[in-house]
Amino acid sequence: AQRVTQPEKLLSVFKGAPVELKCNYSYSGSPELFWYVQYSRQRLQLLLRHISRESIKGFTADLNKGETSFHLKKPFAQEEDSAMYYCALRGSSNTGKLIFGQGTTLQVKP
Amino acid sequence: DGGITQSPKYLFRKEGQNVTLSCEQNLNHDAMYWYRQDPGQGLRLIYYSQIVNDFQKGDIAEGYSVSREKKESFPLTVTSAQKNPTAFYLCATRSWTSGNTGELFFGEGSRLTVL
Repeated sequence: AQRVTQPEKLLSVFKGAPVELKCNYSYSGSPELFWYVQYSRQRLQLLLRHISRESIKGFTADLNKGETSFHLKKPFAQEEDSAMYYCALRGSSNTGKLIFGQGTTLQVKP
Repeated sequence: DGGITQSPKYLFRKEGQNVTLSCEQNLNHDAMYWYRQDPGQGLRLIYYSQIVNDFQKGDIAEGYSVSREKKESFPLTVTSAQKNPTAFYLCATRSWTSGNTGELFFGEGSRLTVL
């Protein structure tokens, strides 16, 4: 079964501290992994995808197939990073549908 | 602006009533999706449609129905059979054109409250 697990409902850090939002997945094939973000009063939007191997707003995420993880990291958190973050998986079918995790609220305190 | 319009933003319903949530897009995207967002449960897929006149059930389709008569529109009906309909509903789209990143684009959502 395809599943995405985000073990932390809430992650609270101080500004300037490192951030790691955890994501583990269950999928037997080669998945595509994504991180989506929802800022207050804004639409859910794509933050980054593992295929691109890019850094967006200082965030990076590496797909670790051995540990089936796709943790989101940022070395120095900013207050504007406060938001809800969702990890998502897309399997090899052509439906395009995404399986989302439960979400983690990141709170960056001044 | 926005490309994906969901309406209404807020809706109140009495138990036993059916309600229909609208989702319209002008992005010319082929695929459309309905997700339900509940605190602590993330987003769960209700229905999706890859092309006009075709749709498939997602993980929690019971108590819901959809139609896809036009490429631009994918309305969701929450029927009285849905046991716990109070939630935030998100519509999303995706393009199948080459070079597409696989990204889903989301609407602003509709919040349904059953009184």
